[in-house]
Amino acid sequence: TQLLEQSPQFLSIQEGENLTVYCNSSSVFSSLQWYRQEPGEGPVLLVTVVTGGEVKKLKRLTFQFGDARKDSSLHITAAQPGDTGLYLCAGARSNTGKLIFGQGTTLQVKP
Amino acid sequence: DSGVTQTPKHLITATGQRVTLRCSPRSGDLSVYWYQQSLDQGLQFLIQYYNGEERAKGNILERFSAQQFPDLHSELNLSSLELGDSALYFCASSVGPLINTEAFFGQGTRLTVV
Repeated sequence: TQLLEQSPQFLSIQEGENLTVYCNSSSVFSSLQWYRQEPGEGPVLLVTVVTGGEVKKLKRLTFQFGDARKDSSLHITAAQPGDTGLYLCAGARSNTGKLIFGQGTTLQVKP
Repeated sequence: DSGVTQTPKHLITATGQRVTLRCSPRSGDLSVYWYQQSLDQGLQFLIQYYNGEERAKGNILERFSAQQFPDLHSELNLSSLELGDSALYFCASSVGPLINTEAFFGQGTRLTVV
């Protein structure tokens, strides 16, 4: 059973378009992290959201944590080819040391 | 560069063999996490050590074991290897025992079992 469901799994868009990636769960998490992974590399942390309803912006990327802390979204404005990669959401529970990862969204931005 | 070092970067071995993957955490980090990433399963948490002690266990097979040494580096031992063990193995580290803040991942070890 996948505790964190990401959608879509694959996304291929043109440069300049906007997109949203969703990360949904029936479980509550104390925090949720978004990572970006490039081929042959390890995941790199983009952001951590902790408070229900929290919105964080990182240049053209906007991250939101759902009010109930069960879901999150990543919105990219005016996507660029450099945004291409695998985007992973990961949920943490406060009393454990493990992250539960979603299956990832593979994003391809064509010039 | 995340500051987490994993060796080797690539490993090719035969079924039935045993391998050891090594991880050096970021300076000052006491927690080390091991993850397995395969195409069909995504990133799966295997095990966590904090300051030398096992802290949390995930989907780690009995054929796999890990330890964290006094200098805080960690090793993941994989034995009686099967074709299905072929995957990317990542190590991550964080300052404390909980993953709520942030973890830094190494570049991974790509294991191919033939």
